[in-house]
Amino acid sequence: EPEVTQTPSHQVTQMGQEVILRCVPISNHLYFYWYRQILGQKVEFLVSFYNNEISEKSEIFDDQFSVERPDGSNFTLKIRSTKLEDSAMYFCASLGTVNIQYFGAGTRLSVL
Amino acid sequence: AQSVAQPEDQVNVAEGNPLTVKCTYSVSGNPYLFWYVQYPNRGLQFLLKYITGDNLVKGSYGFEAEFNKSQTSFHLKKPSALVSDSALYFCAVREVDNAGNMLTFGGGTRLMVKP
Repeated sequence: EPEVTQTPSHQVTQMGQEVILRCVPISNHLYFYWYRQILGQKVEFLVSFYNNEISEKSEIFDDQFSVERPDGSNFTLKIRSTKLEDSAMYFCASLGTVNIQYFGAGTRLSVL
Repeated sequence: AQSVAQPEDQVNVAEGNPLTVKCTYSVSGNPYLFWYVQYPNRGLQFLLKYITGDNLVKGSYGFEAEFNKSQTSFHLKKPSALVSDSALYFCAVREVDNAGNMLTFGGGTRLMVKP
C-alpha cells in the first residue's frame, strides 16, 4: 500500500538555526499539507499546497515558514530561524481522489 | 470557520464491551467528517469518513461512526472493544467547499481498553 514518508524521524537543532523537513507524498496525489502537533495538544493545520503554490495557510505559518516541491516527488517544509516554541511533531499529508488525507509518521523537531 | 469538539479526554472501557468516542463539529456549510487513530510514536492513521450517503459509516478494525446532522455529531463506535484498540483518537472536519481541503482536528480522546 502506498504511503507518505517523512525524513528525518527526529531532528534536533539549536534555536535560530534553519531546518528542512522532508516528505515524499503518495505519487499520484495532487494536494499536499503540513500539520503540526505540539506535545499533548491537538493537530494543527499549517499549510496546503496545490499546483505548485500555497492554496491555504494558517496564522501559524508566518514568514519563518516556507514550503517547496523541488522536484516531482519531494515536498519540504523549511523553518528559517527556529524558536523553542517550534518544537513539535510535524506531519505531512497528501490527498488523493477519495477525499482522504494520508499522513506520514511525522518528524519530531526538538529546538534546544 | 470550522471546529471540532471531543468532550472526553479519556474513555475507559473493559475488553469486550461496546465503546463510544464522542465528537461534535461546527462548519458553515456541509461537512466531510473523519476519524483518525494515533498509536504511540506513530502518525495519524485513517479509520473512516463520512462524505455523503448513509449516516452510518463503517471503517477499519470494526469501527463505525454515525453522522447526525441535527446534533452535529459524528460519534465513533465499536460493538466489542479490544485491548489493541487502546490509542489516541482524533475526529476531524473539512468543509465541503473549502478550497484548501484543510482538516480541523478535535483535541483527541485517549481510549484505554482494559483486559
